[in-house]
Amino acid sequence: RKEVEQDPGPFNVPEGATVAFNCTYSNSASQSFFWYRQDCRKEPKLLMSVYSSGNEDGRFTAQLNRASQYISLLIRDSKLSDSATYLCVVPNQAGTALIFGKGTTLSVSS
Amino acid sequence: NAGVMQNPRHLVRRRGQEARLRCSPMKGHSHVYWYRQLPEEGLKFMVYLQKENIIDESGMPKERFSAEFPKEGPSILRIQQVVRGDSAAYFCASSPQGQAGDTEAFFGQGTRLTVV
Repeated sequence: RKEVEQDPGPFNVPEGATVAFNCTYSNSASQSFFWYRQDCRKEPKLLMSVYSSGNEDGRFTAQLNRASQYISLLIRDSKLSDSATYLCVVPNQAGTALIFGKGTTLSVSS
Repeated sequence: NAGVMQNPRHLVRRRGQEARLRCSPMKGHSHVYWYRQLPEEGLKFMVYLQKENIIDESGMPKERFSAEFPKEGPSILRIQQVVRGDSAAYFCASSPQGQAGDTEAFFGQGTRLTVV
């Protein structure tokens, strides 16, 4: 299993849709997980941290399944401004780096 | 409180020249990470540094690449004898703590290196 693996995408959805991204990871000892957002040619920015079974922030919900080593990100009521690449991020085993998935691209259209 | 500052934002080098990329972490942060992002690819970890120490350089190519984070001044990523394949966006991130994952890492706007 790759360190961090994501749905390849792209996801093309209309405004108002609900969309979910999946991510699997190999480091079974990891205690923290992150979703970052990256807009085209910009730096990644933290969207959400996950330290227990899940986290919710407005329209965004992250869920963690430790047994299956699986993280998901759910976006409800999609907005045009949600169009971006979403990166699943997990620390490496040594705790010396954040390992990024290749990202899933979301395009929300009107 | 200024964010992570990287310069230059854009850098053009001819094959065989040297490229120096600078990163000033956020105030109060003493941990710096460098990542490389090739076109249409994900971010690849290169190196993790604390002041005056390289902690993890497992992602650095063995030749031509080096990094430092001196006691004073910015962190520097140095690429000697650049080749076309080095063309990429190089991002620096900083955090106040060393254990990756214990706290958010803040990213700079990146340096886009183009080798011609």
